[in-house]
Amino acid sequence: AQTVTQSQPEMSVQEAETVTLSCTYDTSENNYYLFWYKQPPSRQMILVIRQEAYKQQNATENRFSVNFQKAAKSFSLKISDSQLGDTAMYFCAFMTLNTGTASKLTFGTGTRLQVTL
Amino acid sequence: DTEVTQTPKHLVMGMTNKKSLKCEQHMGHRAMYWYKQKAKKPPELMFVYSYEKLSINESVPSRFSPECPNSSLLNLHLHALQPEDSALYLCASSQRLVGQETQYFGPGTRLLVL
Repeated sequence: AQTVTQSQPEMSVQEAETVTLSCTYDTSENNYYLFWYKQPPSRQMILVIRQEAYKQQNATENRFSVNFQKAAKSFSLKISDSQLGDTAMYFCAFMTLNTGTASKLTFGTGTRLQVTL
Repeated sequence: DTEVTQTPKHLVMGMTNKKSLKCEQHMGHRAMYWYKQKAKKPPELMFVYSYEKLSINESVPSRFSPECPNSSLLNLHLHALQPEDSALYLCASSQRLVGQETQYFGPGTRLLVL
């Protein structure tokens, strides 16, 4: 079974600063995907970024980038130039490739990020 | 377009009521999911439909009954719920092609059981 660990329950960052959220996972699989989802106070779950395990290059989406260390099973999210709208709960999630039934997401416990003025 | 819609946004029901939650997507996705999320917790998977067939049931009590009438629509029928079933219910959908199974979520239905 896969597990996802987010060791930072809460974090705070000032507007325009950079913050890094940590995520580690445990799996015996070789092919899988990793995701960061954001859930603002509206509670809509929004995809932030996705990383395929077979890709060595770290994924980036505008101000969001990841540091994917496959051997260390680490998948951290860096948010640059933080904005007030980045205030949200951030979930790290793991998904194996599954050609049978539809794939399941395994979520971490989340990190609550507060962006302050 | 990565939109998944859910209705209603809010629902209050008594323990003897029967109600239904609805989820819709028009992205051609062939997998649809129901999740339950309690406050400050991650979503918990309840059901997965793949090609309109139930493929995963995470040992959910029978008072929750899913239905997938067609490839765009997913329902969750609720009957004789308990107060502890109060939660945010999230629907998601994804492709069923390897490498394209990213799940996209709807805005959720906030359910309160009295």
